[in-house]
Amino acid sequence: DIQMTQSPSTLSASVGDRVTITCRASQSISSWLAWYQQKPGKAPKLLIYKASSLESGVPSRFSGSGSGTEFTLTISSLQPDDFATYYCQQYNSYWDSFGQGTKLEIK
Amino acid sequence: EVQLVESGGGLVQPGGSLRLSCAASGFTFSSYWMSWVRQAPGKGLEWVANIKQDGSEKYYVDSVKGRFTISRDNAKNSLYLQMNSLRAEDTAVYYCARYDILTGMGYWGQGTLVTVSS
Repeated sequence: DIQMTQSPSTLSASVGDRVTITCRASQSISSWLAWYQQKPGKAPKLLIYKASSLESGVPSRFSGSGSGTEFTLTISSLQPDDFATYYCQQYNSYWDSFGQGTKLEIK
Repeated sequence: EVQLVESGGGLVQPGGSLRLSCAASGFTFSSYWMSWVRQAPGKGLEWVANIKQDGSEKYYVDSVKGRFTISRDNAKNSLYLQMNSLRAEDTAVYYCARYDILTGMGYWGQGTLVTVSS
């Protein structure tokens, strides 16, 4: 099984800040990594797929990078709507797995 | 518009069974892999199972293997999750999602809550 580890678990930031969340895979997953945003009581929303491709309709302040075992999600200038929990997901094989999540809080 | 609507959740005793359904619309259901993902109260997302377009391939997380069965009926545009031998740790909101093997889970339902408790 491929384990996904996100850091940090919690991140406090202010509107306008640039923030980065890291996701590490226990073995190489090439670029088969997605990032999701989830708000309380809502279903997750796909932001980034194949490590760096922006899903249609997602603001360009979101970007992803990485390959192999290390990946990052960057939000270039935080907006009030961005405070949420973020998850990475590997889909390298048909046995998927998610990271434990990063809660982005208002400082 | 793509829509996924889950149903079938509820309260069940430990050891009991439940069948979840997911009604799909707005896309060609038979062309996509489908997934179940769950989220225990206050916890993160956990992938549960994937099923291929024609149902010929199914994959499960270890913790549900032998107890849960994913299936689909392409004629009814429906996805199912049969859950047997339920445990307290299966308590979660269960989401169905459209799974694209190139782009991940682009569409999700609203979720259905399963509570396993005596």
